[in-house]
Amino acid sequence: KAGVTQTPRYLIKTRGQQVTLSCSPISGHRSVSWYQQTPGQGLQFLFEYFSETQRNKGNFPGRFSGRQFSNSRSEMNVSTLELGDSALYLCASRHDPNRAEEQYFGPGTRLTVT
Amino acid sequence: AQTVTQSQPEMSVQEAETVTLSCTYDTSESDYYLFWYKQPPSRQMILVIRQEAYKQQNATENRFSVNFQKAAKSFSLKISDSQLGDAAMYFCAYRTLPSGNTPLVFGKGTRLSVIA
Repeated sequence: KAGVTQTPRYLIKTRGQQVTLSCSPISGHRSVSWYQQTPGQGLQFLFEYFSETQRNKGNFPGRFSGRQFSNSRSEMNVSTLELGDSALYLCASRHDPNRAEEQYFGPGTRLTVT
Repeated sequence: AQTVTQSQPEMSVQEAETVTLSCTYDTSESDYYLFWYKQPPSRQMILVIRQEAYKQQNATENRFSVNFQKAAKSFSLKISDSQLGDAAMYFCAYRTLPSGNTPLVFGKGTRLSVIA
């Protein structure tokens, strides 16, 4: 099976712009989670989607949003970018969010805000 | 709220030697999962090993094993016969049971260097 894929891998944006990141889960996986990774804060949970519904949300401002499509692919959007949004954004998938099984991570999207 | 602490920001080990990475966590739950993830410089996070809290036996995966001390809330990772490919960031993570409908909580990570 193909692993979790994320596009684009690298992105440079300017403050105030918006950005959309994409994640395709492993085939058959219906749950997608997003994490932000920074040197200072480490890995922080953004949100999780299952069957096109947001199941859980981390402590991030409303500028961070996401959605999931019927084929389980997910997008994450950040509006009005700030310098502090520069980070590695990781997507992870698993088959069933009602079981505490491990998640499989994608390679990440490196976002740089200038 | 659950927290995960990795007290060693950096560690190094000689090739073929053994190294232990520390992890402690704080929770009031009795059922949960613990994980060790590896993130090599290529950045793809890979699951190394997992432990169910209700199991007393420590998990083992080839050269990787854990020392799970539930009462002490400690979950250390031992890497035996270290290889150059083991060099990476290692993250300890926690997830509550039973529903699993909670996010992974990660420690800040330990950067492991392997010296040839």
